[in-house]
Amino acid sequence: AQSVTQPDIHITVSEGASLELRCNYSYGATPYLFWYVQSPGQGLQLLLKYFSGDTLVQGIKGFEAEFKRSQSSFNLRKPSVHWSDAAEYFCAVGAAIQGAQKLVFGQGTRLTINP
Amino acid sequence: SAVISQKPSRDICQRGTSLTIQCQVDSQVTMMFWYRQQPGQSLTLIATANQGSEATYESGFVIDKFPISRPNLTFSTLTVSNMSPEDSSIYLCSVEQGPGNTIYFGEGSWLTVV
Repeated sequence: AQSVTQPDIHITVSEGASLELRCNYSYGATPYLFWYVQSPGQGLQLLLKYFSGDTLVQGIKGFEAEFKRSQSSFNLRKPSVHWSDAAEYFCAVGAAIQGAQKLVFGQGTRLTINP
Repeated sequence: SAVISQKPSRDICQRGTSLTIQCQVDSQVTMMFWYRQQPGQSLTLIATANQGSEATYESGFVIDKFPISRPNLTFSTLTVSNMSPEDSSIYLCSVEQGPGNTIYFGEGSWLTVV
């Protein structure tokens, strides 16, 4: 069975600083990997996804993530954060089971931005 | 990407009652999913709803507590039955669509049981 670990429960960065959110996964086959963001009081918005091909994927809002098979990681990065990036970030790994793409989520990382 | 609408967006429910959450998608999709997010927690898959067949439930979730309907390719409902305060959660509908079977989520239904 697949699993996801987000080691950092809460991260605080200053506005304009760079950001890296960590995600490690466990899955026996080539994973489908996702990052979602949840703003306060909102649902989940897809930031980016990896299925195959180029291991550096670009997403919305200036985010990118790099798939590293050797490290079982899919870390999310942004070169310069904005106050509006304050939210909860979830990494997820997907597995096709009986024809359905089922997601297992990490515990989430709450991002706080200092002005 | 699919546009997913859920109703109600929020509700306060009495203990022992049941509530049905509706999920409407703006395009036809084969697979729909229901997730639960308990306060301060991550998301957990409740069940997978495939049109024309019984929903498939994950471990720890049963049909009597969370009956699901999937009458067509754009609509599904999840009922939370005989609610207790432990059922206070966000319930999210999601669909699988597009290249790589990407999963998109609705805005969620925020239920508080008192």
